[in-house]
Amino acid sequence: GAGVSQSPSNKVTEKGKDVELRCDPISGHTALYWYRQSLGQGLEFLIYFQGNSAPDKSGLPSDRFSAERTGGSVSTLTIQRTQQEDSAVYLCASSSRTGYGELFFGEGSRLTVL
Amino acid sequence: AQRVTQPEKLLSVFKGAPVELKCNYSYSGSPELFWYVQYSRQRLQLLLRHISRESIKGFTADLNKGETSFHLKKPFAQEEDSAMYYCALMEYGNKLVFGAGTILRVKS
Repeated sequence: GAGVSQSPSNKVTEKGKDVELRCDPISGHTALYWYRQSLGQGLEFLIYFQGNSAPDKSGLPSDRFSAERTGGSVSTLTIQRTQQEDSAVYLCASSSRTGYGELFFGEGSRLTVL
Repeated sequence: AQRVTQPEKLLSVFKGAPVELKCNYSYSGSPELFWYVQYSRQRLQLLLRHISRESIKGFTADLNKGETSFHLKKPFAQEEDSAMYYCALMEYGNKLVFGAGTILRVKS
């Protein structure tokens, strides 16, 4: 595929359960970003990876959130013990050239916590 | 502290009218600024970046360091411009932070 791929596209879960969201970046892209999009909050930065390392984790809302990236490719965002306020669209983006700001976004994973 | 401010949640204009989407930023270094757009049922995508000084789909944006602004402008709005627009700032280490976004609605 040519674009950033995210799965699942929709996830409904019960409060207290753990969820994993997956992101497949564009092949060869070294930088990978996670954002959260919710009404009234805009696009909230969560974390970004350069290769497999995460220079900036400052946006993760709490220690229930974690992310990893392996092989410089696929990334997983994990939310433990989900809460209703975690409901949002989680967007992943990748970039091939650092410092130029052109991020290519996936379609997002919509998470609903009941 | 909010680094990118978009004061309007919704901007509604008539077709053919001028458009200005406001963006102000707070950054101590030399800023790199961008506008992203999300059309209905499409992915968020880059519209333009200040460093390129380009015009895309009739939109331009000028960086004003004195006013710390990067407003997006178009002289004549079209219905297909209706979308969500985000202003973004590249911070140190290639971290891109976004404003809250402005919905542009162009009425016929």
